[in-house]
Amino acid sequence: DIQMTQSPSSLSASVGDRVTITCRASQSISTFLNWYRQKPGKAPEVLIFSASSLQSGVPSRFSGTGSGTDFTLTISSLQPEDFATYYCHQTYDTPYSFGQGTKLGIK
Amino acid sequence: EVQLVESGGGLVKPGGSLRLSCAASKFTFSSYSMNWVRQAPGKGLEWVSSISTSSGYIYYGDSVKGRFTISRDNSKNSLYLQMNSLRAEDTAVYYCARERVTVSGTKVFDIWGQGTKVTVSS
Repeated sequence: DIQMTQSPSSLSASVGDRVTITCRASQSISTFLNWYRQKPGKAPEVLIFSASSLQSGVPSRFSGTGSGTDFTLTISSLQPEDFATYYCHQTYDTPYSFGQGTKLGIK
Repeated sequence: EVQLVESGGGLVKPGGSLRLSCAASKFTFSSYSMNWVRQAPGKGLEWVSSISTSSGYIYYGDSVKGRFTISRDNSKNSLYLQMNSLRAEDTAVYYCARERVTVSGTKVFDIWGQGTKVTVSS
């Protein structure tokens, strides 16, 4: 099974900050990597798919890079609605798996 | 609007059963693989099960294998999860999610329902 490890598990930042979250897979997953944002009490919503493609309707402040085992999600300028939990997700092979999440809080 | 709506959650005793449903609307349901994902209180996301378009390929996570059964009825635009032998650790919000295949051949869960809450407790 493929394990996904995110870092950090939590971080604090301010509106306007640039933030980077990393995700590492236990084996190569090519670009079968997605990023989701989950606001409290809501379903996850996809931000980035195929490691670096921006989902339609998602603001351009979100970007993703990586392939193989190492991936990053960057938010270039934090907005109030971005204080949420972020998950990476591999769909290279079943069982599909998620990272443990990164909770982004307000400093 | 493309939508998924889950139902069927509730309170059930350990060892009991429950059947979740997910109703799809405004897209060609039969063209997409579908998934169930759950989230225990205060915890992260856990993939539960996947079913292909014609039910020919079905997969489960280890924690539910042998107890849960995923199925679909394309004529009713509906996805199901039959949950048997429920345990306290199955307590979670259960989401159904559409699996889209991208132009590069990767897969993404692009549409999610609002979730249905399952509580397993005596």
